[in-house]
Parts: sequence; structure tokens; C-alpha cells
Amino acid sequence: QKEVEQNSGPLSVPEGAIASLNCTYSDRGSQSFFWYRQYSGKSPELIMSIYSNGDKEDGRFTAQLNKASQYVSLLIRDSQPSDSATYLCAVVGSGNTGKLIFGQGTTLQVKP
Amino acid sequence: EADIYQTPRYLVIGTGKKITLECSQTMGHDKMYWYQQDPGMELHLIHYSYGVNSTEKGDLSSESTVSRIRTEHFPLTLESARPSHTSQYLCASSDPRGLETQYFGPGTRLLVL
Repeated sequence: QKEVEQNSGPLSVPEGAIASLNCTYSDRGSQSFFWYRQYSGKSPELIMSIYSNGDKEDGRFTAQLNKASQYVSLLIRDSQPSDSATYLCAVVGSGNTGKLIFGQGTTLQVKP
Repeated sequence: EADIYQTPRYLVIGTGKKITLECSQTMGHDKMYWYQQDPGMELHLIHYSYGVNSTEKGDLSSESTVSRIRTEHFPLTLESARPSHTSQYLCASSDPRGLETQYFGPGTRLLVL
């Protein structure tokens, strides 16, 4: 079992729809969780960080964390073609090393 | 917003050459990281540093080496480049006061012929 798991997709949604991206992690002691967006050939760009159970909203993006179930999700409302990218879930392990453990990424395609 | 820089952005070089990929950040972050990523594939941590004179190997074995003589500078060196080293190399830094949020540089695309 991978430490951080994501469905590689592609996830295809029509423009204007809600895209839901999911991630599960194995280390129960993890405290910090991140979503990065990566366009093809570019470096990852931080979208959201979340540390507490519940929802965190930033514009069209909402991150959701459920530590009991060990999953974190990202919702993108009113999806735009420019949102088409690979979304990486990353988790800081409980060893307090600061190292991020990345999932393999989910490719999102928003069709006009 | 992060200020982290990588040079060169693109490099095409012949087999056997020695290369150094530069990474610098102006945020005073103690922690810095090097990742390797092939097109469409996962990120792999190859080196990290928690401060000056501290370097560790990452999760993916790499023939490259790193040094950390100054807080802001974390260069990666390949003594003898091979075609198998062709990849994208990404540098990142983080501030533990910022709950370990990592910020990435723009990356270096390396092609070894």
C-alpha cells in the first residue's frame, strides 16, 4: 500500500461543474496536508493547505480533511478549462522531518 | 509567495560531462529539497537538507550529490552525466514555522545525449 494514494484519472468534467479529487493516506500521525497543481512541464504550485478536520475554502477551491478516515479531498467549483492539470496530494509524515510524501497525482480534464 | 530560483532552466549536454544545477532561495528557509520527475510520472525526493552543512539522501537513489554551504544555496552536481539522468529536476524549500509548506522553483529540464 502506498503512503499517499490518489486515483490517477483522468477525471473529466464539463466546464462549470464541480470537480472532486480524493486522496487517502496511511500514516495516522500526519498533521499537515497540501494540494498542489501541476501543469504539464511545469513545477508544482501550492493550491491549498489544511491542518484541521473539516473544510477550508479559498475562492473556488475547498479542501476537506477527515483524519479519522484518513482522507483529504479537493473540490473545485465552477471548473474552468484552465483548471485542467494534474493535482498532487501531499502529506507531511508524523516523523516531524518535514518531508512531503506525494501521491501519484490525479489528472483533471475540464471540457468546454 | 515564494522566491526560489533554478538555473539553468534547460540543459542539453553530452554523456560524461560534469554538471551542476543551481538552486537558490531568498526566504531564509532552513529546509531545501531536490526532486526528480520524469514526464507524466511521480515526484521522487532525491536529496534534502535541514540547514547549512546538513544533507541527506532521499527516497530515490541518485548518482547526484548536493552541498549546503550557505542557507540560500543548494546546488546539485552530477559528476558524469548519462542518458539515464535525463529528467526534470525540481528544487523546493520550506519553513518549519510555516507548517512545512514547500515552495517549488521552476525546475531544470536536463537532456543527456
